[in-house]
Amino acid sequence: EVQLVESGGGLVQPGGSLRLACVATGFNFGDYAMHWVRQVPGKGLEWVSGISWNNGFLGNTDSVEGRFSISRDDRKNSLYLSMNSLRPDDTAFYYCARDQRVRGVSLLFDYWGQGTLVTVSS
Amino acid sequence: QMTQSPSSLSASIGDRVTITCRASQGIANYLNWYQVKAGKAPKLLIYDASTLQSGVPSRFSGSGSGTDFALTISSLQPEDFSTYYCQQSDITPITFGQGTRLEIK
Repeated sequence: EVQLVESGGGLVQPGGSLRLACVATGFNFGDYAMHWVRQVPGKGLEWVSGISWNNGFLGNTDSVEGRFSISRDDRKNSLYLSMNSLRPDDTAFYYCARDQRVRGVSLLFDYWGQGTLVTVSS
Repeated sequence: QMTQSPSSLSASIGDRVTITCRASQGIANYLNWYQVKAGKAPKLLIYDASTLQSGVPSRFSGSGSGTDFALTISSLQPEDFSTYYCQQSDITPITFGQGTRLEIK
């Protein structure tokens, strides 16, 4: 069974940093591109960033440019999101999501985690 | 940019409902639909505009190409009351519609 479990969320002050992690089980992690998607409570979904199966950068949304960095460690079946210079409008549930295509990129998400909440507030 | 309508919809068990999604430019069939429930992992329903994801009930269907797309639920079941999002997978940045909240009448 495919499972994605996020961790690392919490309360952080504006300007602070956090590193989110997502541990994947039930599939060959190294064969899939992975993404982060976020949802402000009560609002819509927003794609944050993606990384290809062979560690290529797929891009990110403009609002996190220069502040967030996506990475992966296939030995640990893990995806990461390093977030710096956090702002109150970064407050959201952050979801880890698997790209549908094996050893390729489809930009659509067939499995998601349950999310981790990041709250940016003083 | 993806524009969904309506933003909310009230319907009854057994009703047929349709949610539409319009892309600001042509995206061929690179359009996907997700169901999101509070506290649960989002679920892929339809990909490539009309392909049903494995395990998704056949009462869900998708149609469209280019700029205009639709998600139809043929006979609403209690578990279908949720929020639905369209998403384009043509280019990055990946974008979603603003969501359609489906409520029980």
